[in-house]
Amino acid sequence: DTAVSQTPKYLVTQMGNDKSIKCEQNLGHDTMYWYKQDSKKFLKIMFSYNNKELIINETVPNRFSPKSPDKAHLNLHINSLELGDSAVYFCASSQDSGYGYTFGSGTRLTVV
Amino acid sequence: AQSVTQPDIHITVSEGASLELRCNYSYGATPYLFWYVQSPGQGLQLLLKYFSGDTLVQGIKGFEAEFKRSQSSFNLRKPSVHWSDAAEYFCAVVRGATNKLIFGTGTLLAVQP
Repeated sequence: DTAVSQTPKYLVTQMGNDKSIKCEQNLGHDTMYWYKQDSKKFLKIMFSYNNKELIINETVPNRFSPKSPDKAHLNLHINSLELGDSAVYFCASSQDSGYGYTFGSGTRLTVV
Repeated sequence: AQSVTQPDIHITVSEGASLELRCNYSYGATPYLFWYVQSPGQGLQLLLKYFSGDTLVQGIKGFEAEFKRSQSSFNLRKPSVHWSDAAEYFCAVVRGATNKLIFGTGTLLAVQP
């Protein structure tokens, strides 16, 4: 039973399209996150939600919009996709910082 | 600003040799410290963590790490590396009420037969 699951695993789309990535956790954690891993493997936090409330919103283009319908789900919607959005996007969850984060297996987004 | 430094971008070791991956952080107080591993095409797996107490922490897969406050370091070690340890290793820290996990730039470990 996967703890943090993301769908889809791979996403290939054309520039200008709108796409969504879904994330669900069954760990009962209160906080969920989206991270972006670029081509150099650098991981950067994008957003964080605690119990459906946005608590971290890094400098991310407003084409990226997170949505948390409940504390077990955090989806990422991206409008008007650009080539530079190509990356691996990881969802994660945590109960609190001392326990670390549990990550999903990632969504590889390729914009062509 | 919070930062995590992994000075070694790429390390190659022979199978059976010992391993040490370096990590330094810059904060005034002790943050929570983590090591994650990412195998090719996979997600991130937590190897071990430190937030207080004994400065030598044991993790999964035979890894350990030592927190040294005087050096602001949290180096990862393994006495004998296996070919399956080849992966990208990330040091990370959490500090502050927002629980923001900040990653280093990673160290790519290659294992020679």
